[in-house]
Amino acid sequence: NAGVMQNPRHLVRRRGQEARLRCSPMKGHSHVYWYRQLPEEGLKFMVYLQKENIIDESGMPKERFSAEFPKEGPSILRIQQVVRGDSAAYFCASSHGTWPYNEQFFGPGTRLTVL
Amino acid sequence: AQTVTQSQPEMSVQEAETVTLSCTYDTSESDYYLFWYKQPPSRQMILVIRQEAYKQQNATENRFSVNFQKAAKSFSLKISDSQLGDAAMYFCAYRSAVMEETSGSRLTFGEGTQLTVNP
Repeated sequence: NAGVMQNPRHLVRRRGQEARLRCSPMKGHSHVYWYRQLPEEGLKFMVYLQKENIIDESGMPKERFSAEFPKEGPSILRIQQVVRGDSAAYFCASSHGTWPYNEQFFGPGTRLTVL
Repeated sequence: AQTVTQSQPEMSVQEAETVTLSCTYDTSESDYYLFWYKQPPSRQMILVIRQEAYKQQNATENRFSVNFQKAAKSFSLKISDSQLGDAAMYFCAYRSAVMEETSGSRLTFGEGTQLTVNP
């Protein structure tokens, strides 16, 4: 049973470009969480999604950031017009929906570097 | 809102010795979960141990154990017989056990403690 997969593992963008980060949850998991880890800091919650629904985006910056989790395919975290401050590691975690034993399993992360 | 504080940015220990990492948290909830995650240089987040707040008994996983003091809102991690492979960043995390559809299982992390193991 494959774990949570994220790609790409490393992404380099120039200021003003778009970044697309993908997350494939573990088989059978329908809940996805995105976290951001700035250099020298802990992980910060960004957004919580279920299939085709954004449940909680209270941790997302109001502008330039968006997320989706379509019925088919991976979850996508999209950052438009990237700036140097977006450089960070972005982690995806997935869980199944059986409360409260819905342990989160983390992917390996995508390290975004903005030049 | 819940907060998690790790007051030790860095710790070091000699191989085979014991080390304790500190974590305090703030919450108004009575039911919750606490976790310690390990993040080695590969950056993969690895769950080390979890504790349910309603359980008085401290969790243990092989060489890893916790000292959970609910009244003091303290949750420290003890690593016994430290090994070189234990060197990593360690994060303490909190998760509510209140079933709220909008919050799901979101984790609140501390800032981390970098553990060095000296041979």
